[in-house]
Amino acid sequence: NAGVTQTPKFQVLKTGQSMTLQCAQDMNHNSMYWYRQDPGMGLRLIYYSASEGTTDKGEVPNGYNVSRLNKREFSLRLESAAPSQTSVYFCASTRTSGFLEQYFGPGTRLTVT
Amino acid sequence: DQQVKQNSPSLSVQEGRISILNCDYTNSMFDYFLWYKKYPAEGPTFLISISSIKDKNEDGRFTVFLNKSAKHLSLHIVPSQPGDSAVYFCAASAPGGTSYGKLTFGQGTILTVHP
Repeated sequence: NAGVTQTPKFQVLKTGQSMTLQCAQDMNHNSMYWYRQDPGMGLRLIYYSASEGTTDKGEVPNGYNVSRLNKREFSLRLESAAPSQTSVYFCASTRTSGFLEQYFGPGTRLTVT
Repeated sequence: DQQVKQNSPSLSVQEGRISILNCDYTNSMFDYFLWYKKYPAEGPTFLISISSIKDKNEDGRFTVFLNKSAKHLSLHIVPSQPGDSAVYFCAASAPGGTSYGKLTFGQGTILTVHP
């Protein structure tokens, strides 16, 4: 039982390049989320998927797109990376009922030069 | 407008003593609160949560207290251990439907437990 996994762990991009961050969970959770964390700040929600087939914007969606590929996988795409997107990205998942417990992956550290 | 605030950037405690981490919120719609611990280069680890219908929840050494009228919650760690040294985040969620699980985080408090 791996929980939430993310790939890659580290990535360096040049301005204007694109990339996709991958996330998968094996807890059979319906909802999945992408957050970013900048130095000295808490995590901020980029996009989320309340269930398979649905996605919606969070607090800071500009410059990102997402795909909920199936119940297990939720990817985050940067179409044209900018230095302002240098951050640590975390994927998370949660059940949609009962006690709220949200579980996070190990993160992807992205640097855009 | 920061809806969840952790006003103490850091806290230093002696091993064996109590650590008290505080969190304030402004959005009265928040009805679920969570605490996370985070080590460098790792993802946040879920510690404990509390629903707004309760004022206290315990799990081992961790207890969370919620004061809805003051819009304040706190995490007590007793006894504190050196391995508890990490950044602690509080987070809040609004009621169910599509808002369920959309967490708003505080800035974090760095806890250092000295042997």
